Amino acid sequence: SAVISQKPSRDICQRGTSLTIQCQVDSQVTMMFWYRQQPGQSLTLIATANQGSEATYESGFVIDKFPISRPNLTFSTLTVSNMSPEDSSIYLCSALGGRATDTQYFGPGTRLTVL
Amino acid sequence: AQRVTQPEKLLSVFKGAPVELKCNYSYSGSPELFWYVQYSRQRLQLLLRHISRESIKGFTADLNKGETSFHLKKPFAQEEDSAMYYCALRIPSGTYKYIFGTGTRLKVLA
Repeated sequence: SAVISQKPSRDICQRGTSLTIQCQVDSQVTMMFWYRQQPGQSLTLIATANQGSEATYESGFVIDKFPISRPNLTFSTLTVSNMSPEDSSIYLCSALGGRATDTQYFGPGTRLTVL
Repeated sequence: AQRVTQPEKLLSVFKGAPVELKCNYSYSGSPELFWYVQYSRQRLQLLLRHISRESIKGFTADLNKGETSFHLKKPFAQEEDSAMYYCALRIPSGTYKYIFGTGTRLKVLA
Protein backbone atom coordinates (compact mmCIF):
# COMPACT_ATOMS: atom_id res chain seq x y z
CA SER A 1 0.00 0.00 0.00
CA ALA A 2 1.00 3.62 -0.45
CA VAL A 3 1.64 5.82 2.56
CA ILE A 4 0.27 9.33 2.23
CA SER A 5 1.13 12.29 4.40
CA GLN A 6 -0.46 15.72 4.52
CA LYS A 7 0.71 19.05 5.87
CA PRO A 8 -0.56 20.83 7.85
CA SER A 9 -2.64 18.43 9.90
CA ARG A 10 -4.81 21.32 11.05
CA ASP A 11 -5.01 25.07 10.83
CA ILE A 12 -7.14 27.96 11.96
CA CYS A 13 -7.32 30.75 9.42
CA GLN A 14 -8.87 34.15 9.06
CA ARG A 15 -11.58 34.92 6.56
CA GLY A 16 -10.22 36.14 3.24
CA THR A 17 -6.85 34.42 3.50
CA SER A 18 -5.61 31.36 1.61
CA LEU A 19 -4.12 28.07 2.78
CA THR A 20 -2.08 25.58 0.79
CA ILE A 21 -2.24 21.93 1.79
CA GLN A 22 0.52 19.58 0.76
CA CYS A 23 0.14 15.89 -0.01
CA GLN A 24 3.12 13.56 -0.29
CA VAL A 25 3.01 9.91 -1.33
CA ASP A 26 5.86 7.56 -0.55
CA SER A 27 5.81 6.03 -4.04
CA GLN A 28 4.85 7.01 -7.55
CA VAL A 29 1.12 6.81 -8.15
CA THR A 30 -1.03 7.21 -11.18
CA MET A 31 -3.89 9.22 -9.77
CA MET A 32 -4.22 11.71 -6.96
CA PHE A 33 -7.46 13.17 -5.72
CA TRP A 34 -8.63 15.87 -3.33
CA TYR A 35 -11.78 15.46 -1.26
CA ARG A 36 -13.67 17.60 1.19
CA GLN A 37 -15.43 16.15 4.20
CA GLN A 38 -17.67 18.66 5.89
CA PRO A 39 -18.80 18.04 9.47
CA GLY A 40 -21.17 15.09 9.64
CA GLN A 41 -21.12 14.55 5.91
CA SER A 42 -19.55 12.17 3.45
CA LEU A 43 -16.57 12.70 1.22
CA THR A 44 -17.07 14.97 -1.74
CA LEU A 45 -14.59 14.83 -4.58
CA ILE A 46 -13.16 18.25 -5.36
CA ALA A 47 -10.88 17.38 -8.24
CA THR A 48 -8.47 14.94 -9.80
CA ALA A 49 -4.91 16.24 -9.70
CA ASN A 50 -3.28 15.56 -13.05
CA GLN A 51 0.48 15.36 -13.32
CA GLY A 52 1.82 18.09 -15.55
CA SER A 53 -1.56 19.50 -16.54
CA GLU A 54 -4.56 21.29 -15.12
CA ALA A 55 -6.67 19.48 -12.55
CA THR A 56 -10.07 18.09 -13.46
CA TYR A 57 -12.71 19.69 -11.24
CA GLU A 58 -16.04 18.27 -10.19
CA SER A 59 -19.27 20.15 -10.50
CA GLY A 60 -19.45 22.94 -7.95
CA PHE A 61 -15.69 23.37 -7.62
CA VAL A 62 -13.60 25.83 -9.62
CA ILE A 63 -9.94 26.41 -10.15
CA ASP A 64 -10.00 29.98 -8.86
CA LYS A 65 -11.23 28.82 -5.49
CA PHE A 66 -9.29 25.55 -5.26
CA PRO A 67 -6.14 25.77 -7.36
CA ILE A 68 -4.32 22.45 -7.47
CA SER A 69 -0.81 21.56 -8.52
CA ARG A 70 0.80 18.22 -9.21
CA PRO A 71 4.37 18.72 -10.35
CA ASN A 72 5.33 15.04 -10.19
CA LEU A 73 3.99 11.55 -9.51
CA THR A 74 4.31 11.74 -5.73
CA PHE A 75 3.27 15.25 -4.72
CA SER A 76 0.27 17.55 -4.97
CA THR A 77 -1.00 20.72 -3.36
CA LEU A 78 -4.48 22.10 -2.85
CA THR A 79 -5.00 25.78 -2.09
CA VAL A 80 -8.20 26.99 -0.50
CA SER A 81 -8.42 30.60 -1.63
CA ASN A 82 -10.21 33.60 -0.17
CA MET A 83 -11.54 31.48 2.65
CA SER A 84 -14.87 31.89 4.37
CA PRO A 85 -16.30 30.01 7.37
CA GLU A 86 -18.15 27.73 4.93
CA ASP A 87 -14.77 26.34 3.88
CA SER A 88 -14.25 24.90 7.34
CA SER A 89 -13.86 21.22 6.66
CA ILE A 90 -11.48 18.30 6.54
CA TYR A 91 -9.56 18.14 3.28
CA LEU A 92 -8.33 14.72 2.23
CA CYS A 93 -5.77 13.70 -0.31
CA SER A 94 -5.92 10.24 -1.85
CA ALA A 95 -3.95 8.25 -4.36
CA LEU A 96 -4.13 5.13 -6.44
CA GLY A 97 -2.00 3.40 -9.02
CA GLY A 98 1.62 2.38 -8.66
CA ARG A 99 2.07 0.54 -5.38
CA ALA A 100 -1.41 1.68 -4.46
CA THR A 101 -2.64 -0.38 -7.39
CA ASP A 102 -6.27 0.31 -8.15
CA THR A 103 -7.31 0.75 -4.56
CA GLN A 104 -7.64 4.26 -3.28
CA TYR A 105 -5.59 5.13 -0.20
CA PHE A 106 -6.13 8.22 1.88
CA GLY A 107 -4.03 10.71 3.74
CA PRO A 108 -4.80 11.61 7.35
CA GLY A 109 -6.60 14.78 6.36
CA THR A 110 -6.18 18.47 7.08
CA ARG A 111 -8.69 19.98 9.47
CA LEU A 112 -9.34 23.58 8.47
CA THR A 113 -11.24 26.06 10.60
CA VAL A 114 -12.00 29.48 9.15
CA LEU A 115 -12.95 32.23 11.56
CA ALA B 1 -26.77 9.28 -12.13
CA GLN B 2 -24.42 7.21 -10.06
CA ARG B 3 -25.24 7.18 -6.40
CA VAL B 4 -24.44 5.28 -3.23
CA THR B 5 -27.01 5.15 -0.46
CA GLN B 6 -26.38 4.15 3.12
CA PRO B 7 -29.77 4.49 4.78
CA GLU B 8 -28.61 4.28 8.38
CA LYS B 9 -26.63 7.13 9.90
CA LEU B 10 -26.17 5.27 13.14
CA LEU B 11 -26.36 1.60 14.00
CA SER B 12 -26.02 0.40 17.57
CA VAL B 13 -25.66 -3.28 18.41
CA PHE B 14 -24.56 -5.24 21.43
CA LYS B 15 -21.28 -7.09 21.50
CA GLY B 16 -21.70 -10.55 20.04
CA ALA B 17 -24.77 -9.61 18.02
CA PRO B 18 -24.83 -9.82 14.23
CA VAL B 19 -24.21 -6.67 12.24
CA GLU B 20 -25.44 -5.64 8.82
CA LEU B 21 -24.56 -2.25 7.36
CA LYS B 22 -26.67 -1.52 4.31
CA CYS B 23 -25.42 -0.12 1.05
CA ASN B 24 -27.36 0.33 -2.17
CA TYR B 25 -25.97 1.73 -5.35
CA SER B 26 -27.27 3.19 -8.56
CA TYR B 27 -25.22 2.40 -11.65
CA SER B 28 -26.24 0.88 -14.94
CA GLY B 29 -22.99 -0.90 -15.72
CA SER B 30 -20.82 -3.34 -13.80
CA PRO B 31 -19.69 -1.53 -10.67
CA GLU B 32 -16.74 -2.05 -8.42
CA LEU B 33 -17.68 -1.68 -4.80
CA PHE B 34 -15.67 -1.10 -1.67
CA TRP B 35 -16.15 -0.68 2.03
CA TYR B 36 -13.92 1.82 3.80
CA VAL B 37 -13.69 2.23 7.56
CA GLN B 38 -12.58 5.12 9.72
CA TYR B 39 -11.76 4.33 13.33
CA SER B 40 -11.63 7.12 15.87
CA ARG B 41 -8.68 9.43 15.24
CA GLN B 42 -7.45 7.33 12.32
CA ARG B 43 -7.46 7.84 8.60
CA LEU B 44 -9.92 6.33 6.21
CA GLN B 45 -8.78 2.87 5.20
CA LEU B 46 -9.94 0.14 2.91
CA LEU B 47 -11.83 -2.67 4.63
CA LEU B 48 -12.73 -4.84 1.69
CA ARG B 49 -13.60 -4.85 -1.98
CA HIS B 50 -16.14 -6.99 -3.73
CA ILE B 51 -13.71 -8.24 -6.36
CA SER B 52 -11.58 -9.94 -3.72
CA ARG B 53 -14.52 -11.80 -2.17
CA GLU B 54 -12.53 -11.89 1.06
CA SER B 55 -13.32 -11.69 4.72
CA ILE B 56 -11.50 -8.97 6.64
CA LYS B 57 -11.77 -8.73 10.43
CA GLY B 58 -14.71 -11.10 10.18
CA PHE B 59 -16.60 -8.81 7.79
CA THR B 60 -17.95 -9.95 4.45
CA ALA B 61 -19.92 -8.22 1.73
CA ASP B 62 -21.64 -9.74 -1.25
CA LEU B 63 -22.54 -7.85 -4.36
CA ASN B 64 -26.17 -8.44 -5.28
CA LYS B 65 -26.67 -7.01 -8.74
CA GLY B 66 -30.37 -7.81 -8.76
CA GLU B 67 -30.96 -5.73 -5.65
CA THR B 68 -28.07 -3.34 -6.43
CA SER B 69 -26.79 -3.85 -2.92
CA PHE B 70 -23.46 -4.44 -1.23
CA HIS B 71 -24.32 -4.89 2.42
CA LEU B 72 -21.54 -5.38 4.96
CA LYS B 73 -22.05 -8.19 7.46
CA LYS B 74 -20.39 -9.64 10.50
CA PRO B 75 -21.89 -12.49 12.52
CA PHE B 76 -20.57 -11.38 15.91
CA ALA B 77 -19.80 -7.74 16.54
CA GLN B 78 -16.83 -6.71 18.68
CA GLU B 79 -16.35 -3.44 20.54
CA GLU B 80 -13.35 -2.64 18.38
CA ASP B 81 -15.63 -2.64 15.33
CA SER B 82 -17.07 0.67 16.47
CA ALA B 83 -16.22 3.10 13.67
CA MET B 84 -17.57 5.00 10.70
CA TYR B 85 -18.17 2.82 7.65
CA TYR B 86 -18.40 4.15 4.11
CA CYS B 87 -19.57 2.26 1.06
CA ALA B 88 -17.97 3.40 -2.19
CA LEU B 89 -18.63 2.81 -5.86
CA ARG B 90 -15.87 3.02 -8.41
CA ILE B 91 -16.94 3.55 -11.94
CA PRO B 92 -14.77 1.33 -14.14
CA SER B 93 -13.70 3.99 -16.55
CA GLY B 94 -10.46 5.82 -17.08
CA THR B 95 -11.27 8.41 -14.46
CA TYR B 96 -11.04 6.04 -11.47
CA LYS B 97 -13.50 8.24 -9.63
CA TYR B 98 -15.07 6.95 -6.47
CA ILE B 99 -18.51 7.88 -5.20
CA PHE B 100 -18.96 7.57 -1.47
CA GLY B 101 -22.08 7.01 0.54
CA THR B 102 -22.90 9.20 3.50
CA GLY B 103 -21.54 6.67 5.96
CA THR B 104 -22.93 4.67 8.86
CA ARG B 105 -21.59 5.02 12.36
CA LEU B 106 -21.47 1.63 14.05
CA LYS B 107 -21.51 1.55 17.83
CA VAL B 108 -20.94 -1.79 19.47
CA LEU B 109 -22.13 -1.73 23.05
CA ALA B 110 -20.60 -3.82 25.80
